[in-house]
Amino acid sequence: GQNIDQPTEMTATEGAIVQINCTYQTSGFNGLFWYQQHAGEAPTFLSYNVLDGLEEKGRFSSFLSRSKGYSYLLLKELQMKDSASYLCAVPDNYGQNFVFGPGTRLSVLP
Amino acid sequence: EAQVTQNPRYLITVTGKKLTVTCSQNMNHEYMSWYRQDPGLGLRQIYYSMNVEVTDKGDVPEGYKVSRKEKRNFPLILESPSPNQTSLYFCASSGEVTGDEQYFGPGTRLTVT
Repeated sequence: GQNIDQPTEMTATEGAIVQINCTYQTSGFNGLFWYQQHAGEAPTFLSYNVLDGLEEKGRFSSFLSRSKGYSYLLLKELQMKDSASYLCAVPDNYGQNFVFGPGTRLSVLP
Repeated sequence: EAQVTQNPRYLITVTGKKLTVTCSQNMNHEYMSWYRQDPGLGLRQIYYSMNVEVTDKGDVPEGYKVSRKEKRNFPLILESPSPNQTSLYFCASSGEVTGDEQYFGPGTRLTVT
């Protein structure tokens, strides 16, 4: 089976950098996804990592270490609109059955 | 506009009264999925479908049915809803390539009394 763990809540200041961690245990590995979800809205895709290392996309970067079962999402130059929940998700070996972590609720303060 | 639509967006019903939540996508995606989201538990997959007439159970399928008769539609059926099915439901779709992002519908908030 698959198990994913993330911190429940984080707080950071506008303009700062924040790192949101995700640890996972899976019987196989088929990549790791990050999604953003604003309160009352649908999740939206942020990133997908399948190889070790850092993927950068504007203010957001995502890192993966397959040997450690670990990923993080790095948000730079935080803005108020970044206040949201961040969800880590891994699919099964066939890329079909998805398990999501509980999500990390990020609050950005002025 | 590429999108996933769900109907209804809000529904209050009573225990045992059959209901269907519809989901439709206009992106010609092969993969479709249903999730429920509950506080503290995150998103949990109910059922998914790799293509027409191909469906499989996710992690929490009990009390739900699905069908995939057409590529664009993937309805979720609750034959006899119970209060523990009160939740926020999301439909999602993606292309067939592993690593393709999932596009989520706006959500359906269901209350069963």
